Amino acid sequence: DIQMTQSPASLSASLGETVTIECRASEDIYNGLAWYQQKPGKSPQLLIYNANSLHTGVPSRFSGSGSGTQYSLKINSLQSEDVASYFCQQYYDYRTFGGGTKLELK
Amino acid sequence: QVQLMESGPGLVQPSETLSLTCTVSGFSLTSYNVHWVRQPPGKGLEWMGVMWSGGSTDYNSALKSRLSISRDTSKNQVFLKMNSLQSEDTTTYYCAREGPGYNLYFDYWGQGVMVTVSS
Repeated sequence: DIQMTQSPASLSASLGETVTIECRASEDIYNGLAWYQQKPGKSPQLLIYNANSLHTGVPSRFSGSGSGTQYSLKINSLQSEDVASYFCQQYYDYRTFGGGTKLELK
Repeated sequence: QVQLMESGPGLVQPSETLSLTCTVSGFSLTSYNVHWVRQPPGKGLEWMGVMWSGGSTDYNSALKSRLSISRDTSKNQVFLKMNSLQSEDTTTYYCAREGPGYNLYFDYWGQGVMVTVSS
């Protein structure tokens, strides 16, 4: 089974700041990676797919990058509505999620 | 529009069997794959298994011995059954649709159903 290691587990940032969340796969997942945002009490929502493609309707301040086993999600100019938990998911081999990153405002 | 809705008991006795239903609308179960995912309170997401559009299933190896996924295409429903429930199975259970074609991410999720395992 492919393991996904996500970091950091929690993150505190100020409005307008740029934040980066990392995800490392236990083997090459060939860009088969998605990022989801989950707000408290809600189901996850797709942000990024295929490592770097922005899902319809997602603000352009969100971006994804990476290849092989290393991937990242960047949020430019942090907004208050971005406070949420973020999860990576590999879909190269079945499905595995990262442990999540809880993003809070400083 | 695409919708998924989970339903089931909010409380299950330890060692009993959990039965959940995912009722979908706006798409056909014979054209899209539907997955089950669970999330303990305040924790991460765990993929449980999938009902493929062709009718076969696959499961998380950690849950495979306890888990069964089935469907009724005439009712647009996917079912999850998991036996020998313990306190660590107290989580929110989601069903999610896989994207069309080779888009293997989850593009739509249900609202989730919270299940507590307790006597």
